[in-house]
Amino acid sequence: KAGVTQTPRYLIKTRGQQVTLSCSPISGHRSVSWYQQTPGQGLQFLFEYFSETQRNKGNFPGRFSGRQFSNSRSEMNVSTLELGDSALYLCASSTLTGGASPLHFGNGTRLTVT
Amino acid sequence: KNEVEQSPQNLTAQEGEFITINCSYSVGISALHWLQQHPGGGIVSLFMLSSGKKKHGRLIATINIQEKHSSLHITASHPRDSAVYICAASSPSYQFYFGTGTSLTVIP
Repeated sequence: KAGVTQTPRYLIKTRGQQVTLSCSPISGHRSVSWYQQTPGQGLQFLFEYFSETQRNKGNFPGRFSGRQFSNSRSEMNVSTLELGDSALYLCASSTLTGGASPLHFGNGTRLTVT
Repeated sequence: KNEVEQSPQNLTAQEGEFITINCSYSVGISALHWLQQHPGGGIVSLFMLSSGKKKHGRLIATINIQEKHSSLHITASHPRDSAVYICAASSPSYQFYFGTGTSLTVIP
């Protein structure tokens, strides 16, 4: 089975721009969750989608949004980028929602905002 | 106060030593996850626990629900175990809370 695929792997953007990141889950997994990892804050939960519905969202501003498609692929969007948005963005897929089954992580997208 | 606290932050061990990493949490959980992250970023899920104890090879994870505490043990540590270990709590309200991680270095 193919693992979780995140694209692109690296991205450089300028302040004020917007960015869209993609996550393709393991086949059969209906949950996709997104995380931001920075040296200062560590791993932080962004949001989780299950069967195209957002189950919950972490403590992030409205500039961070996401969606999930009927094939379970998910995208996250960050608008009006700020320097502090530079981070590794990880997604994880699982069979059940809410962390009730093991998480399978992608390799992440490293976003640099200049 | 962080919902998930891990200790120690850094750990250096000699090859073959028994290692324990501790995790305390203050939220209600649906499950407790132990994750491993190697340099370069990739994260692997080691264990998912809601009660008791699980074992996989040289790794053992335990959880005490009443005390809101979990431990990850590595027996007969090896240099390839060098990584950051992260404790994560998933709550019934579909939130995830992460510890700050324990950086483990195993010296040959």
